[in-house]
Amino acid sequence: DAEITQSPRHKITETGRQVTLACHQTWNHNNMFWYRQDLGHGLRLIHYSYGVQDTNKGEVSDGYSVSRSNTEDLPLTLESAASSQTSVYFCASSEITASGRNEQFFGPGTRLTVL
Amino acid sequence: RKEVEQDPGPFNVPEGATVAFNCTYSNSASQSFFWYRQDCRKEPKLLMSVYSSGNEDGRFTAQLNRASQYISLLIRDSKLSDSATYLCVVISNTGGFKTIFGAGTRLFVKA
Repeated sequence: DAEITQSPRHKITETGRQVTLACHQTWNHNNMFWYRQDLGHGLRLIHYSYGVQDTNKGEVSDGYSVSRSNTEDLPLTLESAASSQTSVYFCASSEITASGRNEQFFGPGTRLTVL
Repeated sequence: RKEVEQDPGPFNVPEGATVAFNCTYSNSASQSFFWYRQDCRKEPKLLMSVYSSGNEDGRFTAQLNRASQYISLLIRDSKLSDSATYLCVVISNTGGFKTIFGAGTRLFVKA
């Protein structure tokens, strides 16, 4: 069955280190997204991609980067981890339907702690 | 004012009750609307899309009111398994793609 996976599921790192979170989907969706979820906030969009070699900044992109070298993967990199980036990170993918709808399907999440 | 606002609850209801959630949004150019369900420490899962004419899926009914800029979710005959957080999602593609999630409404269904 098609699915979307994230790794690692849990990560503890130190301030200043570079961290990369992986996201892999087998839906063959063109669109992929990264969100973070914190208490008191809804999910907030970090970066998104409409296809290979396409990346775009979301609402909270500072300190994060993504690259899209193939359809299946959208890794998220924290260039220099900060304690404010402690959060749960969700990856999602979608395909625009014929009616123009954009229903996103989520991976299981990565819980990141920055000490 | 937040772009998408939901009553955080919690809503505590007995099994069999009918419960309704509202969600307001500020961008009148918003194009797509959804309800997601999120269980504790799990990923959000699509519950249903919200169409202009309203739509129903079993015990769940979603409505969109563009004039007043809100969407609603009605759950009839609540089950224990409906206990979760319900997230309202609004998507616009005017001036750049934006997906805005509400902070969610907690629902507890009790026996």
